[in-house]
Amino acid sequence: GENVEQHPSTLSVQEGDSAVIKCTYSDSASNYFPWYKQELGKRPQLIIDIRSNVGEKKDQRIAVTLNKTAKHFSLHITETQPEDSAVYFCAASRGGGFKTIFGAGTRLFVKA
Amino acid sequence: GAGVSQSPSNKVTEKGKDVELRCDPISGHTALYWYRQSLGQGLEFLIYFQGNSAPDKSGLPSDRFSAERTGGSVSTLTIQRTQQEDSAVYLCASSLFPPDQETQYFGPGTRLLVL
Repeated sequence: GENVEQHPSTLSVQEGDSAVIKCTYSDSASNYFPWYKQELGKRPQLIIDIRSNVGEKKDQRIAVTLNKTAKHFSLHITETQPEDSAVYFCAASRGGGFKTIFGAGTRLFVKA
Repeated sequence: GAGVSQSPSNKVTEKGKDVELRCDPISGHTALYWYRQSLGQGLEFLIYFQGNSAPDKSGLPSDRFSAERTGGSVSTLTIQRTQQEDSAVYLCASSLFPPDQETQYFGPGTRLLVL
């Protein structure tokens, strides 16, 4: 069945450094790749997403890259801040009318 | 406006009992999703409703799990004969109208504990 692998499971960085989280997906028909952030005790919230017709998308300090051939996509956070500490989930979907499969999550710690 | 709401927020039950979890999506959202999140784990897909289409039930872990969505709005997830391994947070999410608006808005979850 469909699967999304996410690495690393835990990531610790110093404030101001960059953080990179990587995901791979198995369903080659996937064309929509969102990233969600879940702070401790709170609900997941979308932070950025990318569709298969683009290779990169950026929003201030966060960016996502997609390699459809390799079925890889990555989240990049630059100039990390303590408030970036959270669990980040990648996901893949075929788009409207289909389910979304989430990765297992990456717990990011940003040390001040 | 009002977000996705879920009830109850917490549920403690005894093994073998049935439970019903409720989700109220954002008004006008046609897609509704149920996920299960075990402690420190990811989001496990359970079931997906989209408009009047047949739901995608491929994530339901056993026939003890079922869900319905009445009138295209409120959804109920039912777990029959609960087992201890069913203990988890059950999250509901809704989105406006895939594929144009696919952002999923999550509810606060129902924390289920099966003793």
